[in-house]
Amino acid sequence: QVQLQESGPGMVKPSETLSLTCTVSTDSISGYYWSWIRQPPGKGLEWIGYIYYSANPNYNPSYYSGSTNYNPSLKSRVTISIDTSKKQFSLKLNSVTAADTAVYYCASLDYRRYYFDFWGQGTLVTVSS
Amino acid sequence: SYVLTQPPSASVAPGQTATITCGGNNIGSKSVHWYQQKPGQAPVLVVYADSDRPSGIPERFSGSNSGNTATLTISRVEAGDEADYYCHVWDNTSDHPVVFGGGTKLTVL
Repeated sequence: QVQLQESGPGMVKPSETLSLTCTVSTDSISGYYWSWIRQPPGKGLEWIGYIYYSANPNYNPSYYSGSTNYNPSLKSRVTISIDTSKKQFSLKLNSVTAADTAVYYCASLDYRRYYFDFWGQGTLVTVSS
Repeated sequence: SYVLTQPPSASVAPGQTATITCGGNNIGSKSVHWYQQKPGQAPVLVVYADSDRPSGIPERFSGSNSGNTATLTISRVEAGDEADYYCHVWDNTSDHPVVFGGGTKLTVL
């Protein structure tokens, strides 16, 4: 069983950088796509990106530790990183506008079957001056 | 990038069967997953790999996938099944591999 918890500011000013951290409670963070997904108020789910971490490259030889993939529509503004010692991964989204107001979820994507099996509770981030 | 199309809404009476569709080009060749999201809560996986259920999900939830349409079926619908439902696929041919449908709001009459 994996538990995830998002943390970070609930409000960000336009043009500034949104920063969130997801703390993972699990024996090992190896072998998952650690992901960020957002949901604007009243709208659907939007994938932001993921970072893949494996302590053993032979576990999934197609990928190496710390590889990332981002939604092309956000790629120029997004960075996802991981701190394995703290079992945390982070999201930075720069140059935010009101359109970035959303509930932000962190989630784990199973690397074999590619479904999101565990989710954080979500955190609302409002972009406003 | 790959596109998944869901009807915005569906309604069903308690005890009846709800069917929610997810359309995509040759979606039958992909593995489809379904999530239930109740107001103010995070999504929950209810069906994965077209038709498998995670532990703890009632047998009333089932899925199928063929051709250009995947389907989530909820039998003997209960009031607690009222929620938004999202389909999801992994498109390994794209630089946008994680694709969600737009969601279907299921209303229990």
